Amino acid sequence: DAGVIQSPRHEVTEMGQEVTLRCKPISGHDYLFWYRQTMMRGLELLIYFNNNVPIDDSGMPEDRFSAKMPNASFSTLKIQPSEPRDSAVYFCASSWTSGVYNEQFFGPGTRLTVL
Amino acid sequence: QKEVEQNSGPLSVPEGAIASLNCTYSDRGSQSFFWYRQYSGKSPELIMSIYSNGDKEDGRFTAQLNKASQYVSLLIRDSQPSDSATYLCAVGNTGGFKTIFGAGTRLFVKA
Repeated sequence: DAGVIQSPRHEVTEMGQEVTLRCKPISGHDYLFWYRQTMMRGLELLIYFNNNVPIDDSGMPEDRFSAKMPNASFSTLKIQPSEPRDSAVYFCASSWTSGVYNEQFFGPGTRLTVL
Repeated sequence: QKEVEQNSGPLSVPEGAIASLNCTYSDRGSQSFFWYRQYSGKSPELIMSIYSNGDKEDGRFTAQLNKASQYVSLLIRDSQPSDSATYLCAVGNTGGFKTIFGAGTRLFVKA
C-alpha cells in the first residue's frame, strides 16, 4: 500500500509568489495533518482535518496560509504571498480513528525555499 | 514551559550499549504517547506508541510511561550505528488527535 504522497518534493520560489503544496493521504485514513519543521521551531502542527473538515487551524501562522481538503484523497496547503521566513520542510501526515489513538504516518515532505 | 520537553543532546553511546531517551509533558490529560525516529533529511517514522502506565517492549525498543510524573522514556538496547538519528517524543492531547512534538534528541551510536 502506498504511503502518504507529497508533491513537489522541492520548491524554490521568490518572495511574493504563491506556493501550493499537495498531499495524498493513505487510503482509508480519515485524519490529515499539515506540519512545518525548522531548526529553530522544530515540528509544528499547522492544521488538521477529520473527514475533510478542518478541525483545528490554530497553528496556521498568518492569513497568508490556507489549507483545503476537497476530498478524502487530496489536500493542499497554500502560501500567498510567500516570504523568506516561510522556508522550511512541510510534512503531511495521516491517521485513522481508533479510540484515542493517533498513530500518524508522515509523507516525505516538501522542502520549500523562498528567496 | 514547553508542552513537550526533551534533552536536545546530542546523546552519544557506544555500539552495543543501551541508549536512554527521556521526555516530559505538561498536559496531565494526555492519553497517547509516541516516539518517532527521524533520519537526517527524512520524515519522522513512528517506532513506538504507548497508552498505559508501565513498559512496552518491541524488539530492541522499550517505551516507558509514568503518567503521575508526566514522563515518557525510550530505551534502545544493543544500540547500532543505524540507530543514529533524532528521536522525537510526541504527546496526544486530551481527546487524542492533536499531537504535540518535542524538539527531539539527537542520538549518535559510535561503532
